[in-house]
Amino acid sequence: GAGVSQSPSNKVTEKGKDVELRCDPISGHTALYWYRQSLGQGLEFLIYFQGNSAPDKSGLPSDRFSAERTGGSVSTLTIQRTQQEDSAVYLCASSAGTGINEQYFGPGTRLTVT
Amino acid sequence: AQSVAQPEDQVNVAEGNPLTVKCTYSVSGNPYLFWYVQYPNRGLQFLLKYITGDNLVKGSYGFEAEFNKSQTSFHLKKPSALVSDSALYFCAVNSGNTPLVFGKGTRLSVIA
Repeated sequence: GAGVSQSPSNKVTEKGKDVELRCDPISGHTALYWYRQSLGQGLEFLIYFQGNSAPDKSGLPSDRFSAERTGGSVSTLTIQRTQQEDSAVYLCASSAGTGINEQYFGPGTRLTVT
Repeated sequence: AQSVAQPEDQVNVAEGNPLTVKCTYSVSGNPYLFWYVQYPNRGLQFLLKYITGDNLVKGSYGFEAEFNKSQTSFHLKKPSALVSDSALYFCAVNSGNTPLVFGKGTRLSVIA
């Protein structure tokens, strides 16, 4: 079946602009995660959604970052007033549940803030 | 707090030789341990996981990992490396329903 898809694959934006990144998880997966991958920094957890529970936002670096998941499926990560330090690859993953279930990752969105 | 350490940024190995990519972890409670691989310009792919039971777990592409509770380690191994194994490898841990915590990654280079 189809894997996790993300759009756009690349995004170049000017400092101060808002951006929206989209994630389509694997159908039927109840958990959805957002991570940020910066060069040499590994993966940084941002936020995750599990079913109808309130999302865990503990990894969001500032209030400029927000995410929503509509209908338990598609998710959008929004970054307001982008800064150059926001430049990174943003990865989305989904899983059949949390904890013991492995996550399936999308190809990522490379964000460049000029 | 959970944490993962991958002490080597880079591992070089000759094709056909055994390879080891090291990982140690710190977690409260029972650990759930994962290895992922990232090939150039591609997303992360799941390799294997340890949840409970046998300490030696086998995964995709001939990889295996050994859970060692006393040493809090979960090293990734393969008996005979291939050039196509060259990639970035990530170890990750969680406990229960907490978010996965990833290590910084180890770049494996297999030389023909």
